Amino acid sequence: GAGVSQSPSNKVTEKGKDVELRCDPISGHTALYWYRQSLGQGLEFLIYFQGNSAPDKSGLPSDRFSAERTGGSVSTLTIQRTQQEDSAVYLCASSANAGGVTEAFFGQGTRLTVV
Amino acid sequence: QKEVEQNSGPLSVPEGAIASLNCTYSDRGSQSFFWYRQYSGKSPELIMSIYSNGDKEDGRFTAQLNKASQYVSLLIRDSQPSDSATYLCAVNTGNNRKLIWGLGTSLAVNP
Repeated sequence: GAGVSQSPSNKVTEKGKDVELRCDPISGHTALYWYRQSLGQGLEFLIYFQGNSAPDKSGLPSDRFSAERTGGSVSTLTIQRTQQEDSAVYLCASSANAGGVTEAFFGQGTRLTVV
Repeated sequence: QKEVEQNSGPLSVPEGAIASLNCTYSDRGSQSFFWYRQYSGKSPELIMSIYSNGDKEDGRFTAQLNKASQYVSLLIRDSQPSDSATYLCAVNTGNNRKLIWGLGTSLAVNP
């Protein structure tokens, strides 16, 4: 499809396990965001990739969280030693960020449940 | 710290009325402004973007931007129950064009 794709849609993991969440942005989009959203709360910024620039990691809540973006396309968010407070919906968004076009488009999210 | 602020609501309007949603931002250098709608359990979806001072209309939606006063608003005319959602304001700011988000305003349109 032409939209942002995230996988898996749902993930249930045991406390202490590592998880990887994947985001396939819209083709050609140079900017990619990861957000976390708990029930009834706003978007919590995690990390921002823009082209070849160093990523803005200022939102990562702890060193258990990391993200990569390979080849300027697919991104993986990794959470090590998951905790129950990591349970949330993780949203990925991408943007062209070119020619004045800066709108971001979201994937459907990954719902993470840590038990 | 660059900020975007919205009244959390809930804003409650009767069906057919005009709903007015407001957003203020702190960075005078901001260039792009967006309104997103988020239904419960769904991802945010873009409904309006505005880049210049003044009004921009799209169907029942009008975005208004006033850079001097650093606010952007969204008007929804003839509000429908299906408009009930959380509305998020986002501002593109800084040299790295990173989006900064408000926490959203919850809108309830009552039949």
